[in-house]
Amino acid sequence: NAGVTQTPKFQVLKTGQSMTLQCAQDMNHEYMSWYRQDPGMGLRLIHYSVGAGITDQGEVPNGYNVSRSTTEDFPLRLLSAAPSQTSVYFCASRAELSTDTQYFGPGTRLTVL
Amino acid sequence: AQRVTQPEKLLSVFKGAPVELKCNYSYSGSPELFWYVQYSRQRLQLLLRHISRESIKGFTADLNKGETSFHLKKPFAQEEDSAMYYCALSGISGGYQKVTFGTGTKLQVIP
Repeated sequence: NAGVTQTPKFQVLKTGQSMTLQCAQDMNHEYMSWYRQDPGMGLRLIHYSVGAGITDQGEVPNGYNVSRSTTEDFPLRLLSAAPSQTSVYFCASRAELSTDTQYFGPGTRLTVL
Repeated sequence: AQRVTQPEKLLSVFKGAPVELKCNYSYSGSPELFWYVQYSRQRLQLLLRHISRESIKGFTADLNKGETSFHLKKPFAQEEDSAMYYCALSGISGGYQKVTFGTGTKLQVIP
């Protein structure tokens, strides 16, 4: 099993550009989520999904879109990048139960100039 | 609303000294609580969860519902324990299960 994979590892964007961060898992997990990690702010939930076709907003959803057309994939779209979106982005997945472990991807370091 | 508070951004201890990383939570139901660790240049990984009542790498954490706390403890710190530690709560919010993380505590073990 590859676990949770994310691409790209690093990305530099100019203000106003759009891009998609990819996330995939091969563990047949229902629950997937996107977090951003900023110094002093910890991990903040952007969007999450409890299954294919079902997504919902987290704490900081503005400027981001998600979709979940398959169980395996959960891409995060930046519509019009802003410097405030400079961060490290982590994707995570978990089986259905609330007591289950979350498995994290390696992260994508995004810089918006 | 569910909330996790880690009051210390940085905790420095000498090797061999006891460690306690604090975590307090706010949640109206019965919480599921976890500690995750992120070593330098590695992805986050689960350290332990309260339901398992386990000890991992010498760390333990006890859920205290009266004080709404889930502090992480280790009697003797090792240099390899230096890492970022996150407390997390899994609960129902808005009809769905959500996992909320604290802001993290950086543990620095001084040789």
